[in-house]
Amino acid sequence: QSALTQPRSVSGSPGQSVTISCTGTSSDVGTYNYVSWYQQHPGSAPKLMIYDVNKRPSGVPDRLSGSKSGNTASLTISGLQADDEGDYYCCSYADSRYVFGTGTKVTVL
Amino acid sequence: EVQLVESGGGLVQPGGSLKLSCVASGFTFSNNAMNWVRQAPGKGLEWLSYISGSSGTIYYADSVKGRFTISRDNAKNSVYLQMNSLRVDDTAVYYCAKSGPLDWGQGILVTVSS
Repeated sequence: QSALTQPRSVSGSPGQSVTISCTGTSSDVGTYNYVSWYQQHPGSAPKLMIYDVNKRPSGVPDRLSGSKSGNTASLTISGLQADDEGDYYCCSYADSRYVFGTGTKVTVL
Repeated sequence: EVQLVESGGGLVQPGGSLKLSCVASGFTFSNNAMNWVRQAPGKGLEWLSYISGSSGTIYYADSVKGRFTISRDNAKNSVYLQMNSLRVDDTAVYYCAKSGPLDWGQGILVTVSS
């Protein structure tokens, strides 16, 4: 199974919004509403930020939001802050398997 | 709170074997499927294997099929990954992860090198 496609990097100034896309296929993102997003800092395990396309775990600010259209999911970070920096990975459940995105580096300018 | 603690990593020569363990707490282990995921240095996340709560359903990524074996012991709240015929490109941090939106352990480094 091929990795989901994400942009290599996105950047924005504090207070701006950025959106990360995650493109899969009809076998994963397009079929299942089990898309999740993880933030990862160097040397640390991934941290869950969004699950089931658009749900936030407790403690994750509502500046982060998820959506999906067809085979593409998206993560939007509004009101960008310094601690939003990091690598972000999307992940789709696909029939008892998981497929991850290629990863996007978010930089706050 | 879900806690997952991996162990068993280290340095191994190409062609060698290693068995990773992951002890879980904070949830009903036997009711939950588990996974192994890895991340090579400077690379992205790669799902490797899935095992259902009863061990009745198991899946592998093509990259490890035939070389890696996942198993679990619900009495010990543990999941394992037996890795055989290791290659240099298996070098990575290996994470165990509870299914659902994935809950992650802290990861364990496996280095395959001569």
